[in-house]
Amino acid sequence: TQLLEQSPQFLSIQEGENLTVYCNSSSVFSSLQWYRQEPGEGPVLLVTVVTGGEVKKLKRLTFQFGDARKDSSLHITAAQPGDTGLYLCAGEDSGGSNYKLTFGKGTLLTVNP
Amino acid sequence: SQTIHQWPATLVQPVGSPLSLECTVEGTSNPNLYWYRQAAGRGLQLLFYSVGIGQISSEVPQNLSASRPQDRQFILSSKKLLLSDSGFYLCAWSQVNEQFFGPGTRLTVL
Repeated sequence: TQLLEQSPQFLSIQEGENLTVYCNSSSVFSSLQWYRQEPGEGPVLLVTVVTGGEVKKLKRLTFQFGDARKDSSLHITAAQPGDTGLYLCAGEDSGGSNYKLTFGKGTLLTVNP
Repeated sequence: SQTIHQWPATLVQPVGSPLSLECTVEGTSNPNLYWYRQAAGRGLQLLFYSVGIGQISSEVPQNLSASRPQDRQFILSSKKLLLSDSGFYLCAWSQVNEQFFGPGTRLTVL
């Protein structure tokens, strides 16, 4: 069973600060997705990274896939209250089973005004 | 564009009562479909997935079942609910390696 560990579990910061959250595994993934979920809603896909070492930017969010495709990070610059939410990473099994994703338990981010 | 619907949005049921949650997808054909449960706003537990009509794979033994009577319809059921069935139920669809989630159903079993 592949596992994804996310850290930190909880993060509370002030508006304008920068932050990085991590998603780590001992397993190799074919691709990795990041989702953001707000209370009472379904997760929304932010990005998919596929190539080892890949970096993708989405406005103030920067996503990086590790060279070995075992880990990923999400960096937010100048966080805003609207960034508050649960950030989930999910990895696609490199063994070829493209039917299922393995989800981490998430990082709960609170950005205070 | 594709959309995914779930209903009801919220549900309060007594212990021992039956359950039926419905999920439908629009704007795509032959999607993979998934049911997840999320407890306390944290990680997602995969319950069932389906790669086609009538094809259901169960991930976790429990008193829940799933059915896919039509290509874009996925149903989660139970004959008798337990207190431990309370949670946030999410349906998702995918093609290739990305999953897209519905708005979820909040189930409270009393």
